[in-house]
Amino acid sequence: GAVVSQHPSRVICKSGTSVKIECRSLDFQATTMFWYRQFPKKSLMLMATSNEGSKATYEQGVEKDKFLINHASLTLSTLTVTSAHPEDSSFYICSARDLGELTLAKNIQYFGAGTRLSVL
Amino acid sequence: DQQVKQNSPSLSVQEGRISILNCDYTNSMFDYFLWYKKYPAEGPTFLISISSIKDKNEDGRFTVFLNKSAKHLSLHIVPSQPGDSAVYFCAATIGAGSYQLTFGKGTKLSVIP
Repeated sequence: GAVVSQHPSRVICKSGTSVKIECRSLDFQATTMFWYRQFPKKSLMLMATSNEGSKATYEQGVEKDKFLINHASLTLSTLTVTSAHPEDSSFYICSARDLGELTLAKNIQYFGAGTRLSVL
Repeated sequence: DQQVKQNSPSLSVQEGRISILNCDYTNSMFDYFLWYKKYPAEGPTFLISISSIKDKNEDGRFTVFLNKSAKHLSLHIVPSQPGDSAVYFCAATIGAGSYQLTFGKGTKLSVIP
C-alpha cells in the first residue's frame, strides 16, 4: 500500500516551454502533497505544500508564478514549470501524506520516484 | 544553513557487519526524526522514526538511536545485507503531526558481499 506515482520520470524540453508533472496517490487519499527539488549533492528542498481544494503554500524563495501547483482531487497534484529555463533543470520529487494516518500523528510521507527535468 | 547534516556522503560495509549511519541537527526544536531509504530511480521510502521522548527505536535489523544533548542520531543496520545498499536520508521535523520535513543530503551505503 501507500504508493505514489509520479509522471513523467524524465523530460527534456526547450527553453521557454512549460512542463507539467503529475503526482498521484494510487491507493490512499491525500489532502496534502509536497513538492521537493533536489540539486546534485544537495538535500531535498521543500518547494511547496499542495492542499486539496485550496491554494498551495510556497516556501520562501520559490516563485509561485513560475511553479504552478494544482491539487484538484484527493489523489492528484500537478506541478507546472512555466516558461522553463536551463536553471530550472533539476530533479523534482513529490510526496503525499495518507489522510488515514493523520490522526495517528505519523509524519510519514510517501514519495514518488521523481522527475528529472532537463531544459535545453 | 543546513539544519540536518549527514557528514558522510558514502559508507562501505562488509556483508554481515554493522552499518552505522550518522546524522546531526542544529535546530533544538526538532522533536521527531525519520530515516528514509532510496534506491536509484525510485522515491525515498520510509524506514524508521523516533520521537524525542525516546532514545532508541528498533525495528528488525534497524535501530535508531537519539542523543538529544548531542543533537545526534544514528541508524544501525545489523547484520548488513547487499540489498541494504542505497542512499539513506535523515529527516527531522517539529511535532510528529507536522508536515515539514528537513532532510540531510544523504549517505550512500554500499554493502559488499
